Amino acid sequence: AQSVTQLGSHVSVSEGALVLLRCNYSSSVPPYLFWYVQYPNQGLQLLLKYTTGATLVKGINGFEAEFKKSETSFHLTKPSAHMSDAAEYFCAVSNVNNDMRFGAGTRLTVKP
Amino acid sequence: GAGVSQSPRYKVAKRGQDVALRCDPISGHVSLFWYQQALGQGPEFLTYFQNEAQLDKSGLPSDRFFAERPEGSVSTLKIQRTQQEDSAVYLCASSLAIPGREFATNEKLFFGSGTQLSVL
Repeated sequence: AQSVTQLGSHVSVSEGALVLLRCNYSSSVPPYLFWYVQYPNQGLQLLLKYTTGATLVKGINGFEAEFKKSETSFHLTKPSAHMSDAAEYFCAVSNVNNDMRFGAGTRLTVKP
Repeated sequence: GAGVSQSPRYKVAKRGQDVALRCDPISGHVSLFWYQQALGQGPEFLTYFQNEAQLDKSGLPSDRFFAERPEGSVSTLKIQRTQQEDSAVYLCASSLAIPGREFATNEKLFFGSGTQLSVL
């Protein structure tokens, strides 16, 4: 069975500061890993994903994540936070059968 | 359509009432998923369809929950005798991806905006 743990249900950063959202996964098979963002009253939007190949993945809006197998982690980062980044972020793990499981989410607040 | 469409956007039901939630996936998408997202939680898997076949319903919380996709396109999630604990946002997602095949880099899961169900 696959699962995802997101460390920290709330993260607050200042505008322009580094964003770091933590995600650890558990999977018995090589995982596919995802980060989604959810704005209020909207559906989930894919930020980035790791399937195979390069372990540093770049996504939309300046976000990136690095797959570290030895640490079973897939942390999401952005060098400089913007006010528009305030949202709920979900890490997810899937396998070749497209069976996707989500973490509980991290709410990012950006202070001016 | 351009994206995954779900209706109604909001549904208020009295406890014990039956409800039906509709999902229109992106045309041609083979895979269709239903998720339940409780307030402050991540989406929880409910069930999965490949075309009209329901291949996994392990996430359905009780026999009051039923999903169908009879023609392999539109799907309906039905909840009978709703309870207060059924209150949540129900998300539908679709994908071109076919289980068992390598997940291509241009394939992803597209989510609808969800149906917010409130059971009073």
